[in-house]
Amino acid sequence: DQQVKQNSPSLSVQEGRISILNCDYTNSMFDYFLWYKKYPAEGPTFLISISSIKDKNEDGRFTVFLNKSAKHLSLHIVPSQPGDSAVYFCAASDNKSQGNLIFGKGTKLSVKP
Amino acid sequence: NAGVMQNPRHLVRRRGQEARLRCSPMKGHSHVYWYRQLPEEGLKFMVYLQKENIIDESGMPKERFSAEFPKEGPSILRIQQVVRGDSAAYFCASSQGLNEKLFFGSGTQLSVL
Repeated sequence: DQQVKQNSPSLSVQEGRISILNCDYTNSMFDYFLWYKKYPAEGPTFLISISSIKDKNEDGRFTVFLNKSAKHLSLHIVPSQPGDSAVYFCAASDNKSQGNLIFGKGTKLSVKP
Repeated sequence: NAGVMQNPRHLVRRRGQEARLRCSPMKGHSHVYWYRQLPEEGLKFMVYLQKENIIDESGMPKERFSAEFPKEGPSILRIQQVVRGDSAAYFCASSQGLNEKLFFGSGTQLSVL
């Protein structure tokens, strides 16, 4: 019973183009969403987050969009750089979970020079 | 280095032995979380602790697993009588307060032979 789904295990993009990573969720109680980036043999690193009261949050090359009615969020990276190659995890939580983040399985992004 | 420190990075145990994983949170952080990642899976929440208290252990198996975060010293995740299915990457994270951003350590890779 996966509450957070990342249906694309991998994505390959050319350097300089846009990368779009998608995430769907099923629990309507989720009110906070995060994206983490993970390199091999390292822990996840926080990238960007969005609260359910917003539909967009931007930080430099990274933008997260939230569509509550579709229970869908996406991470846009533009322009993509080879250093962005990593596994990206979508995560969600609700106010009651107190730090219990529900993670998707991740999408491996490869940015080709 | 002010990051979340986990040790050891790699731990090999034989079936039936005990595994102890240590986590020192970031300076100033009093909230610690343990997550487990099986191969090809996302991170799964195990337990959330504050100093000397377990707040949420809903993700932790009822048997063989225990966690503590003493007043002094690191948080310890203890797995007794390990089995092959315990082989995974165990990540610790810390935050400054409730519902704040989680910072992850580099993880401990546990291999059970």
